Amino acid sequence: NAGVTQTPKFRILKIGQSMTLQCAQDMNHNYMYWYRQDPGMGLKLIYYSVGAGITDKGEVPNGYNVSRSTTEDFPLRLELAAPSQTSVYFCASSQKTGGTSNQPQHFGDGTRLSIL
Amino acid sequence: AQKITQTQPGMFVQEKEAVTLDCTYDTSDQSYGLFWYKQPSSGEMIFLIYQGSYDEQNATEGRYSLNFQKARKSANLVISASQLGDSAMYFCAMRGLNAGKSTFGDGTTLTVKP
Repeated sequence: NAGVTQTPKFRILKIGQSMTLQCAQDMNHNYMYWYRQDPGMGLKLIYYSVGAGITDKGEVPNGYNVSRSTTEDFPLRLELAAPSQTSVYFCASSQKTGGTSNQPQHFGDGTRLSIL
Repeated sequence: AQKITQTQPGMFVQEKEAVTLDCTYDTSDQSYGLFWYKQPSSGEMIFLIYQGSYDEQNATEGRYSLNFQKARKSANLVISASQLGDSAMYFCAMRGLNAGKSTFGDGTTLTVKP
């Protein structure tokens, strides 16, 4: 099983450019998430989605946009890239859950993004 | 606001010994889940163990166990019989009632010495 697939794995952008990080999952999970991980730090939630057509902001949404037109795909869009967005980006998915559900998040391998 | 605190930036343990990684949390939710993930140097996130806020027994998964003390709001990970392959960063995470309440700590880097 592929699980959660992120593309690309690495990318260098110039300041002011835009790009879309792709994320796809084949587990029919309702919930999907985008995180960023700065060096030596934990994961910060950027956006999340509880199902197709439904998205919401996480802790650090500024400078990013998302869409969820299908259950499988959850792309993250960076507009006007800034050096502060240099980070590793992780996409994750989980079954419909909340509270004490024991369903963990399944992570992609990450996208390492540098803004120069 | 929801918060996870991991106070040990780095830990060392001798191979075959046990080690405890600390995690304290803060939340206003009555119902929540606590998770531990491992991140090797290769970068992927690997789920290790889960504890629900209403679970009366501490969770165990092979060499991993979770020392859950609800009143103290702590969820420490215990790794028994450490192996060299356990060297990695370990993250404590919490998920509340709302899917958006997904919070990670800053992690603890564990180094296992031969």
